[in-house]
Amino acid sequence: QKEVEQDPGPLSVPEGAIVSLNCTYSNSAFQYFMWYRQYSRKGPELLMYTYSSGNKEDGRFTAQVDKSSKYISLFIRDSQPSDSATYLCAIFPSGSARQLTFGSGTQLTVLP
Amino acid sequence: DGGITQSPKYLFRKEGQNVTLSCEQNLNHDAMYWYRQDPGQGLRLIYYSQIVNDFQKGDIAEGYSVSREKKESFPLTVTSAQKNPTAFYLCASSIDENTEAFFGQGTRLTVV
Repeated sequence: QKEVEQDPGPLSVPEGAIVSLNCTYSNSAFQYFMWYRQYSRKGPELLMYTYSSGNKEDGRFTAQVDKSSKYISLFIRDSQPSDSATYLCAIFPSGSARQLTFGSGTQLTVLP
Repeated sequence: DGGITQSPKYLFRKEGQNVTLSCEQNLNHDAMYWYRQDPGQGLRLIYYSQIVNDFQKGDIAEGYSVSREKKESFPLTVTSAQKNPTAFYLCASSIDENTEAFFGQGTRLTVV
């Protein structure tokens, strides 16, 4: 079993839709949670970073962490064609970013 | 502008040759990382460095070497011992081991 499982997609939605991207993890030692957006042939860009259970909102993006279920989500409201990219979840335990573990990514396409 | 610069963007190598990928950051970050990304897979850690003149192997270090002579620079050498070197290579840095990582734009290496 992989330490981080991510829905692979691909996911295709119409412009304006609410998008839900999800990851599950197996190691309860993981304490820090991130979402990256990666456009084709580019490096990942950090979208959200959180270390607590609950919701964190930034504009159209909301990161949700449920440590009891070992489940993290990224919601995108009012999705735009420019949101079309691969989204990677990443997690690591306290004090050890070298153990940063990535999901395999979900490819999202927002259709105009 | 602060950031992480990787060069070159594209690199072609003949089998049996060593090649060095450059990574420079002006963010004053202590920690730096090298990842490899293959299609359909998450990022995998090759090497990381927490401070100057110190570095540690990651999960897939075989066939790779690094140096950290300056805080700003963390070059990666792909040696002829790496059996499947064609991949997208990403360099990242973070303030320390408890903070999020920021990525460069990547180098796509192709062995011909």
